[in-house]
Amino acid sequence: QKEVEQDPGPLSVPEGAIVSLNCTYSNSAFQYFMWYRQYSRKGPELLMYTYSSGNKEDGRFTAQVDKSSKYISLFIRDSQPSDSATYLCAMSPITQGGSEKLVFGKGTKLTVNP
Amino acid sequence: GAGVSQSPSNKVTEKGKDVELRCDPISGHTALYWYRQSLGQGLEFLIYFQGNSAPDKSGLPSDRFSAERTGGSVSTLTIQRTQQEDSAVYLCASSLALAGATLDEQFFGPGTRLTVL
Repeated sequence: QKEVEQDPGPLSVPEGAIVSLNCTYSNSAFQYFMWYRQYSRKGPELLMYTYSSGNKEDGRFTAQVDKSSKYISLFIRDSQPSDSATYLCAMSPITQGGSEKLVFGKGTKLTVNP
Repeated sequence: GAGVSQSPSNKVTEKGKDVELRCDPISGHTALYWYRQSLGQGLEFLIYFQGNSAPDKSGLPSDRFSAERTGGSVSTLTIQRTQQEDSAVYLCASSLALAGATLDEQFFGPGTRLTVL
């Protein structure tokens, strides 16, 4: 079993739909939970991150972490064609003033149709 | 400002040849990472450099892979005797790695798409 599992999709939705993207993980040491967005032929860019459990909202995006279930989600409200991209979850243990290599899910390819 | 840059953007090589991939991190970033992104495998960590510390090579898949970082800035990933399974997008990322920072955000370059024929 991989440390981080993510359904690769693809996922196709109409414009305006609510999108739900999810990852599960097995390593209890993970404390930082990130969502990266990657457009075609580009590098991933950080969209949102959450530390430990809880919710975080940023505009149309909401990230949720449930550590008891080892399950994280990203919700996109009022989805737009410009949201069409691959969404990757990533995780790392707590840092001590340094950096940690990230463990990524395989990514979910999302298409929002106008 | 300038982000992470990588060259070449695309590389086609023949099986058995050596290749060198280059990464220019964001100025002032002390941490540098290499990842590999391939179909079916997602994004996998390869190697990590932090300041003057010994690099973390735990993700390198075989001894055909090596990397160096000169002067704490530019990094080169070398793959010797390339195999078809080495075909992937090789991504470089850099971060500030400030002591006491909460999340040390990694900034990614656009990647080098390697095709081994």
